[in-house]
Amino acid sequence: AQKITQTQPGMFVQEKEAVTLDCTYDTSDPSYGLFWYKQPSSGEMIFLIYQGSYDQQNATEGRYSLNFQKARKSANLVISASQLGDSAMYFCAMREGGTGGFKTIFGAGTRLFVKA
Amino acid sequence: GAVVSQHPSWVICKSGTSVKIECRSLDFQATTMFWYRQFPKQSLMLMATSNEGSKATYEQGVEKDKFLINHASLTLSTLTVTSAHPEDSSFYICSASQTGPYSYEQYFGPGTRLTVT
Repeated sequence: AQKITQTQPGMFVQEKEAVTLDCTYDTSDPSYGLFWYKQPSSGEMIFLIYQGSYDQQNATEGRYSLNFQKARKSANLVISASQLGDSAMYFCAMREGGTGGFKTIFGAGTRLFVKA
Repeated sequence: GAVVSQHPSWVICKSGTSVKIECRSLDFQATTMFWYRQFPKQSLMLMATSNEGSKATYEQGVEKDKFLINHASLTLSTLTVTSAHPEDSSFYICSASQTGPYSYEQYFGPGTRLTVT
């Protein structure tokens, strides 16, 4: 069963506008971590933001924020004030504790295109 | 801090030969390393998890005799693709955790692009 779902294969956003990339997850483990990574064309995985399952507040890192809705099992990434350099592939990932073996699994990804 | 390197960054080899990819943690001791494979326009798929000094744990469907993983020290893990074939051409990425498998942090290497001709 798909544990991380990213339903947007591609997204377009105008430069300087905000964009939300969707991610839903499925787990029965009470302890898990949610991540977003950016992968530019060079291939490197760039860590953007992390949200722990027990964190009460939504994570923020500069222009990135994670809209964590635990009951809905969603962890959407919000990028504010988009820049041309934000054009890349974005992956949502989850690492489960305990029964999940602390393995990180990735969603299919969303390709973001920022238009000038 | 927390830098992970991979060598080589890209490699081309002939079908039937073996190729070794190195993953090093440069400024920390990596008790656990992970190896991923990424085909073009696809997501990262975990191949195996290795803890220093012990045998790697392979994911279902990954041939352990074909993809040999060695984690001999706290800063080095190697992935050897044996008897490579064109279908093994892919982007291989390692990641490392300094606090062991029971941690949420991991740091990714820049990846190695393997092309088998």
